[in-house]
Amino acid sequence: KQEVTQIPAALSVPEGENLVLNCSFTDSAIYNLQWFRQDPGKGLTSLLLIQSSQREQTSGRLNASLDKSSGRSTLYIAASQPGDSATYLCAESGSARQLTFGSGTQLTVLP
Amino acid sequence: DAGITQSPRYKITETGRQVTLMCHQTWSHSYMFWYRQDLGHGLRLIYYSAAADITDKGEVPDGYVVSRSKTENFPLTLESATRSQTSVYFCASSTGYSRPPRNSPLHFGNGTRLTVT
Repeated sequence: KQEVTQIPAALSVPEGENLVLNCSFTDSAIYNLQWFRQDPGKGLTSLLLIQSSQREQTSGRLNASLDKSSGRSTLYIAASQPGDSATYLCAESGSARQLTFGSGTQLTVLP
Repeated sequence: DAGITQSPRYKITETGRQVTLMCHQTWSHSYMFWYRQDLGHGLRLIYYSAAADITDKGEVPDGYVVSRSKTENFPLTLESATRSQTSVYFCASSTGYSRPPRNSPLHFGNGTRLTVT
């Protein structure tokens, strides 16, 4: 069974700081990796999707990278804001034919 | 408004009762999914559907039934609810399953919080 790990489970940073969220996966046959944001009491919102043939994707202040050889993906958030506070989940799709989700990193950006 | 809607938002039911959670999407996405989210287990796939009248089991299908008579609707039924089915249920849709060449993101509803007493 494929596994996706996100460490740390929670992270607090002061406003304005650049930060990196980590995602590790065991699937060597990954097809793509998605990063999601979840606000309390809400569903997940897709932020970025990286295909296995890509190394990174960017959207505004967000940049996601994918390193298949090391089984790692990172989500870089530039100039963090209090509105970025949420839980961030990664999910990989590969040999399991369905998305395998990590447990998420709860981010708090302090004003 | 276009999007994916789930109903009800909250539901309390008793053990042994049948309950149906509704999911409706307006994008005409071919794929739809049901997940449950639990502390300590993360998101787990219950059932998914590739098109109308085509459904398949996910990781945790026992005790659940789905149907997809129309592309836009994908109801999830708990035939005889148990306390272990207390959870937050999310419906999601996608234009394509997560494989090349149709790498497309999942779009989630806001969830149904179900409590089985």
